[in-house]
Amino acid sequence: QITLKESGPTLVKSTQTLTLTCTFSGFSLGTRGVGVGWIRQPPGKALEWLALIYWDDDERHSPSLKNRLTITKDTSKNQVVLTLTNMYPVDTATYYCAHRRAVAGTPDVFDMWGQGTMVTVSS
Amino acid sequence: QSVLTQPPSVSGAPGQRVTISCTGSSSNIGAGYDVHWYRQLPGTAPKLLIYTNTNRPSGVPDRFSGSKTGTSASLAITGLQAEDEAVYHCQSYDSRLSDVIFGGGTKLTVL
Repeated sequence: QITLKESGPTLVKSTQTLTLTCTFSGFSLGTRGVGVGWIRQPPGKALEWLALIYWDDDERHSPSLKNRLTITKDTSKNQVVLTLTNMYPVDTATYYCAHRRAVAGTPDVFDMWGQGTMVTVSS
Repeated sequence: QSVLTQPPSVSGAPGQRVTISCTGSSSNIGAGYDVHWYRQLPGTAPKLLIYTNTNRPSGVPDRFSGSKTGTSASLAITGLQAEDEAVYHCQSYDSRLSDVIFGGGTKLTVL
């Protein structure tokens, strides 16, 4: 059974850096085809794809956030870490991590999601 | 403003059939990129409903089906049930933006 859970601060101040950790079970990021992604959703708004890291260390980032965003993995700990610099109130959102389903095609599809963590950025 | 356009809301009575459209352009759906659909119940995380245009993950009832034609995709739900009330999101990729994109979401109300 695949589970994911996001953890990190619920409140950050403007210009600070956000670090979120996704801790998962039921799969390994050392297995070919596996990936973990991050998606966020501002209150009452649409989903926004942020980044994805694959089993082979390949990464994909949203072009609009590429300069602010870092994604890393720790396979031994079953964790993926997302770092977003220069946080502003517009970055207030629920942040989800999700498991990439190992199927061919574009874009990657996420078949299991964490419960999400709400992050508020104060001005 | 989302690159993929979904109706903000749709509604239907129990037992009826509803469809939710996801309209894109030649740089995303029309370019052949796949469309995935997610359902989000109030206060919960999205759940995968349809992947790669027409495929249902195990556990998703066959009341849910997906299709894609030209620059649009659709999600159809038959035999509408009260528990289908949720927000439905489509996802694809845009080559002009070089980015994964989501629709704005459609709220389904079961009357």
